[in-house]
Amino acid sequence: EPEVTQTPSHQVTQMGQEVILRCVPISNHLYFYWYRQILGQKVEFLVSFYNNEISEKSEIFDDQFSVERPDGSNFTLKIRSTKLEDSAMYFCASSVDGADQETQYFGPGTRLLVL
Amino acid sequence: AQSVSQHNHHVILSEAASLELGCNYSYGGTVNLFWYVQYPGQHLQLLLKYFSGDPLVKGIKGFEAEFIKSKFSFNLRKPSVQWSDTAEYFCAVNALSGGYQKVTFGTGTKLQVIP
Repeated sequence: EPEVTQTPSHQVTQMGQEVILRCVPISNHLYFYWYRQILGQKVEFLVSFYNNEISEKSEIFDDQFSVERPDGSNFTLKIRSTKLEDSAMYFCASSVDGADQETQYFGPGTRLLVL
Repeated sequence: AQSVSQHNHHVILSEAASLELGCNYSYGGTVNLFWYVQYPGQHLQLLLKYFSGDPLVKGIKGFEAEFIKSKFSFNLRKPSVQWSDTAEYFCAVNALSGGYQKVTFGTGTKLQVIP
């Protein structure tokens, strides 16, 4: 069964550094999403992406964040200048389309630790 | 905006006990409802989902959930839990927002099953 994959599984970085989290969505999916889960807290929506542009973003997704589909398979989340509070598990998800009745499939997550 | 409440944060059961995890949501329109499970060290996996039709839905591993529209609830049940069910369970609501779907998660319930 096709799966969403994410790399790296773990990343440790210094505060102020840039990080890029990578995701490979399921191949025939057209909608892509990023969520994060701070340790001990709930999963929070960050951004949705379709047709090479952001379709919706949450208040968490400020100017430090950006997303990109650099090629036909990858979907990346960039944090320009990491802060301690960016430490979290970041999940990528994808869905076939953005219709009301659709399931998002999640990747295994990237655990980001900002020191 | 939609919201999801899971009132049990931590549940401890003995093997063979019955399980019911509460989930209530608030949203004015049509919603799709999900339960995701996150086993220790693993990613989110879809347990079951409700889109329409029979309000009692059956998922994987013997789980089921009942959608009660009048109570805005979607409680998860399992008649007899096993040690391998130890995990964190997230209720989620998927609703159209600005023409695109957005999943809102509850805070999660940690289930610990004691052998």
